[in-house]
Parts: sequence; structure tokens; C-alpha cells
Amino acid sequence: GDSVTQMEGPVTLSEEAFLTINCTYTATGYPSLFWYVQYPGEGLQLLLKATKADDKGSNKGFEATYRKETTSFHLEKGSVQVSDSAVYFCALRGGGSQGNLIFGKGTKLSVKP
Amino acid sequence: DTGVSQNPRHKITKRGQNVTFRCDPISEHNRLYWYRQTLGQGPEFLTYFQNEAQLEKSRLLSDRFSAERPKGSFSTLEIQRTEQGDSAMYLCASSLMRRSGGDTDTQYFGPGTRLTVL
Repeated sequence: GDSVTQMEGPVTLSEEAFLTINCTYTATGYPSLFWYVQYPGEGLQLLLKATKADDKGSNKGFEATYRKETTSFHLEKGSVQVSDSAVYFCALRGGGSQGNLIFGKGTKLSVKP
Repeated sequence: DTGVSQNPRHKITKRGQNVTFRCDPISEHNRLYWYRQTLGQGPEFLTYFQNEAQLEKSRLLSDRFSAERPKGSFSTLEIQRTEQGDSAMYLCASSLMRRSGGDTDTQYFGPGTRLTVL
């Protein structure tokens, strides 16, 4: 079945460092891909998405490109801030009529000043 | 637009008791989803509705779990005879699926109900 694998954390970076969180997927058809973020004590928030191959999603300085050839959707940010400390989840929505998301296990990011 | 709301935010119960959670989706959204999240894991799909119809249920949804969305607006998730393994965060999400298609895949999540079964 469909699945998402993302790099295990925790990831600890200094402020202004470059961030990459790897995400790869297995899916039949043409899934949509998402990154959600969960800040401490808060609910899941959509960070960015891409719905077809070679699309780039971006928001708040974060970017991810839908790479069909490598089945990847890696999250990147050029300069992280302390406020980016959170848990990041990669997810896919299958290409069929079913609507549910399939999530990775999450990667906890801690940014130190 | 006040977002997705869930009540209660926290529930502590004793094993064997029944519990019910409520989700109020974003008002114009016709799809509503339930997920379960345990510590250190990503959310896992339980079930979803389009309007009042329950279209899919995960194998995770044992017969002790039941969900309803009677008027196509709010939804309830009931767990009967709770077990300690039911302790988790229960998340609700909603989305708008338009008949014309287009960019309708985005699910918006509520804050969750944290269930602790003693």
C-alpha cells in the first residue's frame, strides 16, 4: 500500500542554519504531497503542498519539490529561526477517490539561538 | 471562518467506559475525516464522511468505534468499552471537495482531543 518515509529526528540546528528534512514515498497513481507542521501545544497546520510532478510548494521560507523520478518531497529552508522549532510531517493523498492522508512519523526540529 | 473545532480537548476515563468526541468542521466543508495519533507517530486515518455519508473506514476502526455525521455538519466519534490501547490524540480534519474538481485536496485540522484511558 501507499506509504511515506521521512528522516528520523530529532534534528537540532543553530539559528540561520540550512534545513533539509528528507521525505520519500511509495504510491500507486499520482498522489498529492504535503508538509504539515505541529508547533508545541498546537494542532497540525498545512505548511505547503504540491499536486503534480515538478511542482514546488513554498511557504514561510520553506520549499519542497515533487520529484516523481526519485519519489521524493524533501523539505528545505535556507535559514531557520528559533520559531521554526516544531514537528514536521510529510504526507500524501492518494490519486484515487479516497480522501485520506497517509503521514510519515514526523521529524522534530529544535532550533537553538 | 473559525476553523475546525473539537470538544472536549482532554478526556480521562476508566477502562470499560464509553466516550464520545465532537468535531465541528469549517462551515462550507463537505468532507470530514477522523485520525488517531499516538506519541511519536504520525496521524493514522480512521474514517471519513462526504456530507452525511460515511465513505470509508480503516481497519484500525474496530467495532467498538462508531462515527456519525447526521446532518452533514458536525460529527461524533464514540468509543465503547474503552481500553488502555485507545489512549491517543484523536484528530478531526475537514476539506471542500467541489464537483468541478480543482484545488480541493487541502485538509484543515482541529486541535484534537487527547484521550487517556486509566
